[in-house]
This record gives sequence, C-alpha cells and structure tokens, in this order.
Amino acid sequence: DAMVIQNPRYQVTQFGKPVTLSCSQTLNHNVMYWYQQKSSQAPKLLFHYYDKDFNNEADTPDNFQSRRPNTSFCFLDIRSPGLGDAAMYLCATSRENGKNYWGAYEQYFGPGTRLTVT
Amino acid sequence: AQSVTQPDIHITVSEGASLELRCNYSYGATPYLFWYVQSPGQGLQLLLKYFSGDTLVQGIKGFEAEFKRSQSSFNLRKPSVHWSDAAEYFCAVGAKGLNTGTASKLTFGTGTRLQVTL
Repeated sequence: DAMVIQNPRYQVTQFGKPVTLSCSQTLNHNVMYWYQQKSSQAPKLLFHYYDKDFNNEADTPDNFQSRRPNTSFCFLDIRSPGLGDAAMYLCATSRENGKNYWGAYEQYFGPGTRLTVT
Repeated sequence: AQSVTQPDIHITVSEGASLELRCNYSYGATPYLFWYVQSPGQGLQLLLKYFSGDTLVQGIKGFEAEFKRSQSSFNLRKPSVHWSDAAEYFCAVGAKGLNTGTASKLTFGTGTRLQVTL
C-alpha cells in the first residue's frame, strides 16, 4: 500500500544535541509538510516543500531546518533542541498540479515521531 | 485569514449513542473542509471531505458530515458510536497557496477529544 513512513517512531535526545527525523513516502506526491503537535493541541505547520521549493512558516524558529534530497524523502533537523521542542512531529504529503483542484488539499499523514528532550 | 473553531474540547458519549461534533469555519471563498481522526500516539487519518456538490458527505467508519453555508458549519455525525471511536477529532479548512511554488495548506481546529463509555 502507498503510504507515508516516519522514522524513528520515538526519539530521545539531549538538550542541545542535534537530532534528525525522517519521512519517506511511496505516494509520489510532490508536496511534503512537517507539522509540530504538542499535547492536546492542533498540528502546527512548520514548513513544506513544493517540489524542490522550500516554504518556511513565518513563526517557525530558526532552530528547525529541513532537507528534501529527492521526491520520496524529507528530513526535519533540529539544531539545538530545547525542552520546549518536545512534541509529536508529523509528516504529511499531497499532490499539487498548479491548479485549484480538490486533491491539492487532501493531505496524507504519517504515524508521527514522538520526540523527547532530556 | 481562514480559521476553524471546535467549541467542544471534550465530549463523552455512551456506546451505541449518537454523536455530533461541532465545527465552525471562517473563510472568504468556497471552503474545502475536512475531518481527521487521531488515535493516541498516531498520525491523522482522513475521515471525510467536502469540496462541492451534495452538502451531506459520507466518510469512513460510518461517519458523515453536513456542510451548512448559512451557518458556516461542518458538523460531524455518527448514528451509533463504538468504543473504538474514542479518539481526537480535528476539523480543518483548506486554503490555496498564495504564491507560485507554495502549496495548499490546512488550518486545523483545536480538536475535540471523544470519550466513549461502555
């Protein structure tokens, strides 16, 4: 089945120690999103890639970076994690075709990576 | 800017009882509306979506939602709740990317946590 995969499912890192979260997809979607979700809150969009174009949300801290080496993979790098960065990180994908069609809005989510900062 | 309000933070229903989760949106154009469900520690799963046409849409797991433009609402319903429906439910509205190279985005409500008693 086509899907969105996130690794690892659980990640523990130390305060200030860089960490990378991984997302891969077999849907061949050209858009990949990263969300941060804290306990009992809505997912908060950090950034997204539209093909190779990187789009950062205005309020995403500089501590968060992303890489997309190819269509299938996208990485979230946290350069110096703080205690406040402990959260669930969700990856999602969608297909854009440059037009306003319904499929562009339908996002497929991975299972998430739970990040703990000690 | 678009927004979504889910007025009920937490709802408890008995198994077999009917369910209605409320969602109100604010969006200047024709909205693209979604309901997602999130089980504990998991990613988001799409339950149903509305783009146009019939205002009553059917989704997976026996859920349905009704779009009411006059009330700016998109409430989720289920005639008979099962214990496995206990989860967090998010309503979302889609908005097209503003610039070339930016993708469509979802704005989520704060979610409603559903508890099912046996």
